[in-house]
Amino acid sequence: QQPVQSPQAVILREGEDAVINCSSSKALYSVHWYRQKHGEAPVFLMILLKGGEQKGHEKISASFNEKKQQSSLYLTASQLSYSGTYFCGTDMYSGGGADGLTFGKGTHLIIQP
Amino acid sequence: NAGVTQTPKFQVLKTGQSMTLQCAQDMNHEYMSWYRQDPGMGLRLIHYSVGAGITDQGEVPNGYNVSRSTTEDFPLRLLSAAPSQTSVYFCASRNRGSENSFFGSGTQLSVL
Repeated sequence: QQPVQSPQAVILREGEDAVINCSSSKALYSVHWYRQKHGEAPVFLMILLKGGEQKGHEKISASFNEKKQQSSLYLTASQLSYSGTYFCGTDMYSGGGADGLTFGKGTHLIIQP
Repeated sequence: NAGVTQTPKFQVLKTGQSMTLQCAQDMNHEYMSWYRQDPGMGLRLIHYSVGAGITDQGEVPNGYNVSRSTTEDFPLRLLSAAPSQTSVYFCASRNRGSENSFFGSGTQLSVL
């Protein structure tokens, strides 16, 4: 079942913070975050595993609440380069990459100067 | 390294025509997969492969065939194109044990 992302879109000024949420109705093993710029391929950002292990990318962080089956992506002091569409992918089984994921519909992030 | 290479970048087909979308990776990755991306829908898995000679269906496999004769190549075949298959198609690959998938640059397909 497709995870639900919120908000659908957000517009920020450079330097502001943003939070993108991803929730699932099913128990999860891991949550993956990808960013896609317009006309380009999705790029892996990070994975959050059941048990609390987290891997990061650049200056973006994330959390994973296993009990609530939710993950949040935090973008602090946003930069123009953060603009794009952010996707979460959820995995109910261990060892999955993108081929084992169910992706949300995406959150469009626009950073203005 | 070129990474994941998809060809063609753009394609227009008439209903009923057949074609093959090509995907090749030079990273010796075992796992490869195909997605379609439609506006407002996110990425949906069509087919995937965990190694040469092994393929399986994803979320939306109908109308598509795949084969994996080599580690490097994973072509996606549309046997009889339909307007509902108008989409952007992405191929991805990863190593066994790695959660990081690498995506190709995509193929934009229009079926008239």
